[in-house]
Amino acid sequence: KQEVTQIPAALSVPEGENLVLNCSFTDSAIYNLQWFRQDPGKGLTSLLLIQSSQREQTSGRLNASLDKSSGRSTLYIAASQPGDSATYLCAVYPDKLIFGTGTRLQVFP
Amino acid sequence: KAGVTQTPRYLIKTRGQQVTLSCSPISGHRSVSWYQQTPGQGLQFLFEYFSETQRNKGNFPGRFSGRQFSNSRSEMNVSTLELGDSALYLCASSFYEGFQETQYFGPGTRLLVL
Repeated sequence: KQEVTQIPAALSVPEGENLVLNCSFTDSAIYNLQWFRQDPGKGLTSLLLIQSSQREQTSGRLNASLDKSSGRSTLYIAASQPGDSATYLCAVYPDKLIFGTGTRLQVFP
Repeated sequence: KAGVTQTPRYLIKTRGQQVTLSCSPISGHRSVSWYQQTPGQGLQFLFEYFSETQRNKGNFPGRFSGRQFSNSRSEMNVSTLELGDSALYLCASSFYEGFQETQYFGPGTRLLVL
């Protein structure tokens, strides 16, 4: 059974710091991995999608990497801003989307 | 393009009642999937519909059902509501079947069962 874990569960940092959020999954048989952000009480916004054949994807200040063999992905956020405060979720797609537990990020001025 | 819309946004029901939630995907999208989000279980996949057919189903009891119409709009129904059904219900849409591409989520319907 595929399980997805995210570490840390919560993170509070001052503005300007570079951050790394971790996602690990137990079964490497996935088609892709996706990163989302969720603002309180709202739906999810897709950030990055990495196909299983890819190693990383970049969008603006965000960079996500994927190591299928070790069952790990990292989301790197450069020069964090208060507007980055949200919960970040990773999800893997074997036969359906399976979500991780999330990392709640707070960036303070 | 307009985003994914869900109605109603908030709902209060009592145990034993049934409820129907609606999701309108982005124009042109043919796949709609549904998720339940609770503090204890996190985000869990309910089912996916593509071209009016259920393509995939999560591990939820038969009280949870859905359907998709020819215009790709989807409804989810929960019968005989239980307290544990209180959750944020999210739907997402994409053009293709499955989850090979970016999923676009709606704002969700928050259901409270008393």
